[in-house]
Amino acid sequence: GAGVSQTPSNKVTEKGKYVELRCDPISGHTALYWYRQSLGQGPEFLIYFQGTGAADDSGLPNDRFFAVRPEGSVSTLKIQRTERGDSAVYLCASSPLVQGEQFFGPGTRLTVL
Amino acid sequence: TQLLEQSPQFLSIQEGENLTVYCNSSSVFSSLQWYRQEPGEGPVLLVTVVTGGEVKKLKRLTFQFGDARKDSSLHITAAQTGDTGLYLCAGAGGSGGSNYKLTFGKGTLLTVNP
Repeated sequence: GAGVSQTPSNKVTEKGKYVELRCDPISGHTALYWYRQSLGQGPEFLIYFQGTGAADDSGLPNDRFFAVRPEGSVSTLKIQRTERGDSAVYLCASSPLVQGEQFFGPGTRLTVL
Repeated sequence: TQLLEQSPQFLSIQEGENLTVYCNSSSVFSSLQWYRQEPGEGPVLLVTVVTGGEVKKLKRLTFQFGDARKDSSLHITAAQTGDTGLYLCAGAGGSGGSNYKLTFGKGTLLTVNP
């Protein structure tokens, strides 16, 4: 079956702009996670959804970052007033169970000029 | 802060050689996972170890979880060019934290030369 998909694969924006990154999880997976991977680093947890609600957003770096999952499937990560330090690969993962194996998408590479 | 230290950071070897990479922490984890990540892709789970002292084998890969559940190693026998990639370890449930929240190390970038 289809894996986790993320769009766009690459996004280049200017400092101060607003961006949206989309994640389509594996069908039927109730848990969805966002991670950020900076160059030379491992993925860093941002937020976890169980169904439609954000069960844990403790990893969001500040209030410029927000994520939604209105129908319990597709999720959008929104970044306002982007900064150069936001440049990274944003990874989405989904799992069928809360503590089950997480399946990762290919990521969106965000570059803020 | 729970940290996972991976070593070495970079490793370049010839095809056919054996290698071991390490993942160490001061925190106890309920489980530890190893992933391989290739350029432009997300991490792919290789194995999960749960019990202290546990050893798991996946073809030429051998994974070990330390007795105290703070460290782990990955040993590859007779490396092949297809083993090239970034190897990440990730801990879950460290210091009594949530099991869904993975803490990743920085990874070991392995290059296997023909």
